[in-house]
Amino acid sequence: GENVEQHPSTLSVQEGDSAVIKCTYSDSASNYFPWYKQELGKRPQLIIDIRSNVGEKKDQRIAVTLNKTAKHFSLHITETQPEDSAVYFCAAYGAGGTSYGKLTFGQGTILTVHP
Amino acid sequence: EAGVTQFPSHSVIEKGQTVTLRCDPISGHDNLYWYRRVMGKEIKFLLHFVKESKQDESGMPNNRFLAERTGGTYSTLKVQPAELEDSGVYFCASSQVDGPYEQYFGPGTRLTVT
Repeated sequence: GENVEQHPSTLSVQEGDSAVIKCTYSDSASNYFPWYKQELGKRPQLIIDIRSNVGEKKDQRIAVTLNKTAKHFSLHITETQPEDSAVYFCAAYGAGGTSYGKLTFGQGTILTVHP
Repeated sequence: EAGVTQFPSHSVIEKGQTVTLRCDPISGHDNLYWYRRVMGKEIKFLLHFVKESKQDESGMPNNRFLAERTGGTYSTLKVQPAELEDSGVYFCASSQVDGPYEQYFGPGTRLTVT
């Protein structure tokens, strides 16, 4: 089945700095890669996603890059703000084998942005 | 539009007791998923309903877990009897379309088994 590894587990930055979270996946058939943000006490919410036929996607201060050959994808947050503090989860959607039709998540990254 | 709701938000039970978690998906969403996050680890897939049918229950840990979705609307997840290792946050998610598309998550139920 699919295995998603996410790093780092914790990330602390100063307001205004950039933050990068990286994920690797094992199943080359995976074709959809969402990123969820979970603020303290709230539900996970999709912030950006990318499909396997695209290498990069950007939405204001956040961007995601995908390297299918290396099987890794990354979340980039620029000009971080205290409200970006949250747990971020990457995930991969399986398109074949035992991972078919499932989202497999990484372990999560606790991002803290210091004012 | 109301989001996915879950009840209760917290539950503390003793080992051996029974607990039932409820999820109400977004209206019109045929696809309903249950996930669990244990002790700061990854969010793990448990099962997937399409309407009232179980599409995939490969993530269910064992036969102490029973999920139902009668009528294709809300779903329940029953744990009987609960064990210490069942503690965690149980998330429900729903989507309108099956496949690689956004899943909308509920706030989760934090289950503590003592």
